[in-house]
Amino acid sequence: TAGITQAPTSQILAAGRSMTLRCTQDMRHNAMYWYRQDLGLGLRLIHYSNTAGTTGKGEVPDGYSVSRANTDDFPLTLASAVPSQTSVYFCASSDHRVTFFGQGTRLTVV
Amino acid sequence: GDSVTQMEGPVTLSEEAFLTINCTYTATGYPSLFWYVQYPGEGLQLLLKATKADDKGSNKGFEATYRKETTSFHLEKGSVQVSDSAVYFCALSFGGSQGNLIFGKGTKLSVKP
Repeated sequence: TAGITQAPTSQILAAGRSMTLRCTQDMRHNAMYWYRQDLGLGLRLIHYSNTAGTTGKGEVPDGYSVSRANTDDFPLTLASAVPSQTSVYFCASSDHRVTFFGQGTRLTVV
Repeated sequence: GDSVTQMEGPVTLSEEAFLTINCTYTATGYPSLFWYVQYPGEGLQLLLKATKADDKGSNKGFEATYRKETTSFHLEKGSVQVSDSAVYFCALSFGGSQGNLIFGKGTKLSVKP
């Protein structure tokens, strides 16, 4: 069972460049989420989508954008990366009883 | 605003020791409460949950009771194993948005043989 697949696993990105983190789920969950994990801060919500075609801002949305063209995919885009966006990014999906997390993407902005 | 506070780590225990990781919350309303576990190099996995006051969540020998009067959800295990070494996160959410989680900062547990 694949569950949630994130790509890439890790990436080093030059500041000012753009990048899209990919997330695909095969559980047909309506709700999907992007979190960032930083040492000493836990996980913080970046953006979410309650259903295909809708998105919303979380706690730390600045510098990020998302889209939800279909149920399965929820890409996260950094338009112009900055070093403070160095983090581990987790995609998640929920059936409103249990939330499942992907394996994460480790992004380093230099 | 809503928040979760959990005890800072790291916590280091010997195998078969008793574990308690404290978690308290601040919330306007009646949240659901969760413990997630993150093993090295992996994503988060749900360990247990409780959706209303006095509920006890349990899984893999871990337990936590939703205490509304003390706004707490402490995680306990009677006898830890080396394989329990991980980072543990307490979290809350509201209503139908179970994936819109507010996390504590995490507690790293190391269990020595």
